[in-house]
Amino acid sequence: GAVVSQHPSRVICKSGTSVKIECRSLDFQATTMFWYRQFPKQSLMLMATSNEGSKATYEQGVEKDKFLINHASLTLSTLTVTSAHPEDSSFYICSARGPDLGIQYFGAGTRLSVL
Amino acid sequence: GENVEQHPSTLSVQEGDSAVIKCTYSDSASNYFPWYKQELGKGPQLIIDIRSNVGEKKDQRIAVTLNKTAKHFSLHITETQPEDSAVYFCAAAISGTYKYIFGTGTRLKVLA
Repeated sequence: GAVVSQHPSRVICKSGTSVKIECRSLDFQATTMFWYRQFPKQSLMLMATSNEGSKATYEQGVEKDKFLINHASLTLSTLTVTSAHPEDSSFYICSARGPDLGIQYFGAGTRLSVL
Repeated sequence: GENVEQHPSTLSVQEGDSAVIKCTYSDSASNYFPWYKQELGKGPQLIIDIRSNVGEKKDQRIAVTLNKTAKHFSLHITETQPEDSAVYFCAAAISGTYKYIFGTGTRLKVLA
């Protein structure tokens, strides 16, 4: 149980385009999901908390207009990187808060490469 | 703000030996401490966790200990195997939220 699916696993796009990443909880409902960014050989940095039916809460320094988050259902949150630039290239990982006392279950991550 | 320090950053052990990774947290009100294993190019996988009302928890070859007074918690892997090679992250839940602060990670290499 507690499976989180993230799609796509890898995306390559041109500078200036927008990219959408999906995060789904497959066997449980998740009122809260999280989006992280991870640079090579570094730790996970929380970007935002996604709450079903309400606006996302962004961490300090994260541009909300750059990283659009939508959590329209109890099983799906999306992260859209708008007008992507090479510096946005990174590994993006989502997690979903499970039904068991708040444990976070992670997706497999999305590697974004902006040319 | 809240902080989690993790040591060592890299650890090499011979197959069959034990590995220990240590973390220190700053928020004395934190009450939940998970450990994740991340393989290359994949998302983190929960391997064990501990809550503040418990001092130790064990699951087969993996154990976690917690010292609330010192704000330390450690991961112990016994009888290591090559497939244990990965990056391990500790985390501490921020009190009053479901958010985590992650440690900087430990790259474990088990030598066959």
